[in-house]
Amino acid sequence: NAGVTQTPKFQVLKTGQSMTLQCAQDMNHEYMSWYRQDPGMGLRLIHYSVGAGITDQGEVPNGYNVSRSTTEDFPLRLLSAAPSQTSVYFCASSYAQSRRGTEAFFGQGTRLTVV
Amino acid sequence: SQQGEEDPQALSIQEGENATMNCSYKTSINNLQWYRQNSGRGLVHLILIRSNEREKHSGRLRVTLDTSKKSSSLLITASRAADTASYFCATDEAGGYNKLIFGAGTRLAVHP
Repeated sequence: NAGVTQTPKFQVLKTGQSMTLQCAQDMNHEYMSWYRQDPGMGLRLIHYSVGAGITDQGEVPNGYNVSRSTTEDFPLRLLSAAPSQTSVYFCASSYAQSRRGTEAFFGQGTRLTVV
Repeated sequence: SQQGEEDPQALSIQEGENATMNCSYKTSINNLQWYRQNSGRGLVHLILIRSNEREKHSGRLRVTLDTSKKSSSLLITASRAADTASYFCATDEAGGYNKLIFGAGTRLAVHP
């Protein structure tokens, strides 16, 4: 049971390049989400998904695309990287809300630098 | 804008002392959660308190929730050097689906 796995751990991109951050979970969680963490800003929600085929925008969705074709995978795509997207990205998963709440499991993060 | 805001932003204490962190939020919630992040690592869930609960304990952790003031506190008793980390509160808004909104966090340093 690996939990939430993110790849790569580190990445340097040039402005305008595209890339996909991978996230996979093996806990059969319905809910998956992407956050970015900038110094002094805490975590900000980019996109989330409540199940395969269903995605929605979070607080800071501009410049990012997501899709959810399977329960296990939730990739985050940067179509044209900008220096403002330099950040640490975290993927998280959890069981869908049962009105009782449930903990989220986080990956170890991807540190992205756009030059 | 972020839902939760932690106070203080940074806290420095000696081993054995208690550490208290506060969190304020803006909207109605289903629950509030606290997470810990060691430097350069992912977040780890510590404790969840539901909107109809006022206090919850887990080991050396004590969390309180005051929904009338839209605030929560996390108390770590008898702190250890290993408790050095950043602590974040996250709120799950009422009517949502575990869409957690995080505050900016409190950086705790516990000195031996």
